Amino acid sequence: GAVVSQHPSWVICKSGTSVKIECRSLDFQATTMFWYRQFPKQSLMLMATSNEGSKATYEQGVEKDKFLINHASLTLSTLTVTSAHPEDSSFYICSARPLSIGDFRPSYEQYFGPGTRLTVT
Amino acid sequence: AQSVTQPDIHITVSEGASLELRCNYSYGATPYLFWYVQSPGQGLQLLLKYFSGDTLVQGIKGFEAEFKRSQSSFNLRKPSVHWSDAAEYFCAVGAETSYDKVIFGPGTSLSVIP
Repeated sequence: GAVVSQHPSWVICKSGTSVKIECRSLDFQATTMFWYRQFPKQSLMLMATSNEGSKATYEQGVEKDKFLINHASLTLSTLTVTSAHPEDSSFYICSARPLSIGDFRPSYEQYFGPGTRLTVT
Repeated sequence: AQSVTQPDIHITVSEGASLELRCNYSYGATPYLFWYVQSPGQGLQLLLKYFSGDTLVQGIKGFEAEFKRSQSSFNLRKPSVHWSDAAEYFCAVGAETSYDKVIFGPGTSLSVIP
């Protein structure tokens, strides 16, 4: 259980084009999904937090007009990199927090997707 | 501000040897601590977590970690390493201001020699 998928697993696009990455929770509903960026040999950096049906919350320094996030349902969130440039090349990882009704204890529970390798040429 | 440090960028151990990966954190209150493993082509997997109670936490795949408040540490251990343990290991702390956010350390890359 608690499987998160990402599509595509890798993508190559030309500079100036846009690319969309999908994140799906396959066997659970997710109130919250997170998008991370990971550079080679480095840690995960949180880009934004998205809640179903509302606007995403972006971390400081992340351009919201460049990284468009849509969380249209409890099982799907998408990240669109607009007008991509070579410096946007990176490994993008999503995670999903299961829906928890009535439980307000901190858990930080989240399940991670396998990641999407984006290369902008 | 909260932070997590992992002093060892890369560690190499022989198969069957014991392993300890170091993690230090900076946190104002009682921390929520995690260890994740990242293998190529797979998503991050939670090995174990500490919220409260017993300071020695048992996890999956034979891993354990010990919370030491006096040293602000949460080191990961395994008595006998298998070749399949080669991966990237991340220590993380739950953000004080949000029950959602997790702050990751820089990671330790583990290589296992047959």
